[in-house]
Amino acid sequence: EPEVTQTPSHQVTQMGQEVILRCVPISNHLYFYWYRQILGQKVEFLVSFYNNEISEKSEIFDDQFSVERPDGSNFTLKIRSTKLEDSAMYFCASSPRAQGNTEAFFGQGTRLTVV
Amino acid sequence: AQKITQTQPGMFVQEKEAVTLDCTYDTSDPSYGLFWYKQPSSGEMIFLIYQGSYDQQNATEGRYSLNFQKARKSANLVISASQLGDSAMYFCAMREDGGSQGNLIFGKGTKLSVKP
Repeated sequence: EPEVTQTPSHQVTQMGQEVILRCVPISNHLYFYWYRQILGQKVEFLVSFYNNEISEKSEIFDDQFSVERPDGSNFTLKIRSTKLEDSAMYFCASSPRAQGNTEAFFGQGTRLTVV
Repeated sequence: AQKITQTQPGMFVQEKEAVTLDCTYDTSDPSYGLFWYKQPSSGEMIFLIYQGSYDQQNATEGRYSLNFQKARKSANLVISASQLGDSAMYFCAMREDGGSQGNLIFGKGTKLSVKP
């Protein structure tokens, strides 16, 4: 069964460093998402991506964040200068469409720890 | 205001019994979808069940069913015949179809513990 894959599963980085979180969405899906879950809290929407551009973003997704789909298969989230409060689980998700009876398929997540 | 409210931070259920996890939502969009996801301690998000706002019947998927009461704006998850492996966090989520790009709005979750 096709699945969304994320790498790495766990990343530790020093405050101020740049990190890139990688995702390979399901191949025939058109909508891609990043979500964040701070430990013990709810899952929060960061950004959606469609047709090679950002289609929607939350207030969390500030100038420190960027997304790219560099080669038609990978979907990346970059955090330019990490802060301690960026420590969280980051989930990538993809979906064949944005409406109707279709769920978002989530990757297994990348746990980012900023020290 | 919270768009998704899960009022039960934690629930206990005896193995083999049924349990209901509560979820209420708030939206003015006439077209929306409601989802339940399970998050075990390993961290991944597992899709369980979906209910569309125009669906006439309550959704069912194996041991999972969704008690959808549109007028009350509630979408409670019912797990029948609980198993030890059902112990996990459960998140209710909503997708508003009008003008959105499919992003989900999550509740704070309910931690379910199944007792042997």
